[in-house]
Amino acid sequence: DGGITQSPKYLFRKEGQNVTLSCEQNLNHDAMYWYRQDPGQGLRLIYYSQIVNDFQKGDIAEGYSVSREKKESFPLTVTSAQKNPTAFYLCASSMRPENTEAFFGQGTRLTVV
Amino acid sequence: AQSVTQLDSQVPVFEEAPVELRCNYSSSVSVYLFWYVQYPNQGLQLLLKYLSGSTLVKGINGFEAEFNKSQTSFHLRKPSVHISDTAEYFCAVSDKKEGQGFSFIFGKGTRLLVKP
Repeated sequence: DGGITQSPKYLFRKEGQNVTLSCEQNLNHDAMYWYRQDPGQGLRLIYYSQIVNDFQKGDIAEGYSVSREKKESFPLTVTSAQKNPTAFYLCASSMRPENTEAFFGQGTRLTVV
Repeated sequence: AQSVTQLDSQVPVFEEAPVELRCNYSSSVSVYLFWYVQYPNQGLQLLLKYLSGSTLVKGINGFEAEFNKSQTSFHLRKPSVHISDTAEYFCAVSDKKEGQGFSFIFGKGTRLLVKP
């Protein structure tokens, strides 16, 4: 079945450590996205990528980094510079150029202690 | 830049009653509009989308939405809700920035609570 796989589902890290969240898709989509979800805040865009080796900052990119070396993969690193990293992170993808729908993974809940 | 406003953070309703979840977006230029549903600790699932054509859009699970360009609204409706419709609902709009491609902008969500 085609889809988006995020791993792990739950992640715990100590404060000050970098952590990388995985996102893999086999939908052959060019565009991929990372969103952060906090209660009452909806989904806020962190980074997005339209093609391999290219990505743009979203509204809340500070403290995060990404890479897009392969079409299928768009990992997100939460760095120690992110002041409040505990959140639910969602990865999505869409087909260019139409971008008529975003498909979502099941999310990773990151807790920093 | 685009923005999406969901006017109600929570909507309580009794089972089998009708419901409307409200959504307004900021721009009058051509956009794509979406409603997604999220169950606890899961990703988002598309309910329906408006790309062009008929302003009344039908989706899954008996939901429908009406695109109103003059009021920049895209309200979601269901004539009779079930307990299983209890979830978080997100309205979204496509956004294109010059030189940066497409993204999707989401509202803050409306929690639909269906009571027996």
